[in-house]
Amino acid sequence: QVQLVESGGGVVQPGRSLRLSCAASGFTFSSHAIHWVRQAPGKGLEWVAVISYDGSNSYYADSVQGRFTISRDNSKNTLYLHMNSLRAEDTAVYYCARVQFEPVVFYGMDVWGQGTTVTVSS
Amino acid sequence: EIVMTQSPATLSVSPGERATLSCRASQSVSSNLAWYQQKPGQAPRLLIYAASTRASGIPARFSGSGFGTEFTLTISSLQSEDSAVYYCQHYNDWLTFGGGTMVEIK
Repeated sequence: QVQLVESGGGVVQPGRSLRLSCAASGFTFSSHAIHWVRQAPGKGLEWVAVISYDGSNSYYADSVQGRFTISRDNSKNTLYLHMNSLRAEDTAVYYCARVQFEPVVFYGMDVWGQGTTVTVSS
Repeated sequence: EIVMTQSPATLSVSPGERATLSCRASQSVSSNLAWYQQKPGQAPRLLIYAASTRASGIPARFSGSGFGTEFTLTISSLQSEDSAVYYCQHYNDWLTFGGGTMVEIK
């Protein structure tokens, strides 16, 4: 079935780096833009970044611009989020989510992963 | 940046009654608006896109309306399984979420 599965979360010290992955299955991964959305404990949803279907364009929230990099490997049906210079305020559940229509970048998101938890703490 | 403001923060409704949730944009987003439902411990679920189109598999009791800066999500006859937090999200050249409305069953 159509599915996104995140991995790579964990506990990391402030200032360190972490890479999240999102494995896709059940659909043509290379046709859809994919977002990262996060949710801090007890808080609402915060958009993080998006990458176009072919990886040629990416966009970031101001809060992560310059520290996070979104990328994808369409040959492996996998999305990545490289997170550098992590801060306590980056602590959250990170979800990857598929844009419902190809090839647009900004639209509704119809398929979500279960999330992976990142905790930034010394 | 377009700011999305949802009201009320919490809504308590009896089963079978109507629930009306509001979402306001700080500037026009045309009809580029989606609604999501999130239950505890679960990922969000797309309910509505293009302001008023139900996503696949979404029950008919969920409906969306509005254009420009004022939007509404209506649950026509609240069921116990509708207890959740509901988020609006614009996608008008960028993307931001509202702060959410928690719907409780009275």
